[in-house]
Amino acid sequence: AQSVTQPDIHITVSEGASLELRCNYSYGATPYLFWYVQSPGQGLQLLLKYFSGDTLVQGIKGFEAEFKRSQSSFNLRKPSVHWSDAAEYFCAVGGKAGGTSYGKLTFGQGTILTVHP
Amino acid sequence: NAGVTQTPKFQVLKTGQSMTLQCAQDMNHEYMSWYRQDPGMGLRLIHYSVGAGITDQGEVPNGYNVSRSTTEDFPLRLLSAAPSQTSVYFCASSYALNQPQHFGDGTRLSIL
Repeated sequence: AQSVTQPDIHITVSEGASLELRCNYSYGATPYLFWYVQSPGQGLQLLLKYFSGDTLVQGIKGFEAEFKRSQSSFNLRKPSVHWSDAAEYFCAVGGKAGGTSYGKLTFGQGTILTVHP
Repeated sequence: NAGVTQTPKFQVLKTGQSMTLQCAQDMNHEYMSWYRQDPGMGLRLIHYSVGAGITDQGEVPNGYNVSRSTTEDFPLRLLSAAPSQTSVYFCASSYALNQPQHFGDGTRLSIL
């Protein structure tokens, strides 16, 4: 069964500091990996995705993530955090594994990011 | 662009009542899904559909029904509401799995 673990429930950083949000996944085939961001009272917005190819992917709002197959990780990074980045971040894994698993995405528990001025 | 529209935005029910959460998308997406979001548990897949007339269960399907008679609409039905179904419900759509999912703004549901 596929699964996603986000080890950090809550992270606090100062504005201008660098950020890394961790994501570890379990999947039996080549995964599709996603990072979404959710502002309070809103739906989820896609930050970036990995399907294949270059393991370092760039997303919106200055975010990037690196796929490391050997570590089953897909950590999200940003060199300098802005106050507007405060939100909840979700990592998700999916893929076309066939049968009834087609189309299923599994989300992590989320990491809440607080940004101090 | 309307994108994914969910109605209602808020709803309070009594235990045992039934209701339907509506979801409509105007992007001609084949893939649609329903999630529930609970604190500390992320989003859990309830049901999904890969096209009109095709639905399948997700991780937490019990107590919910879906149907997909058109490409645009994917309603979620609560058959007999229970307090454990108090949650925020999100509908999402995409062209296919390997395309970004577009989320609605959610329905906040409270069961008393």
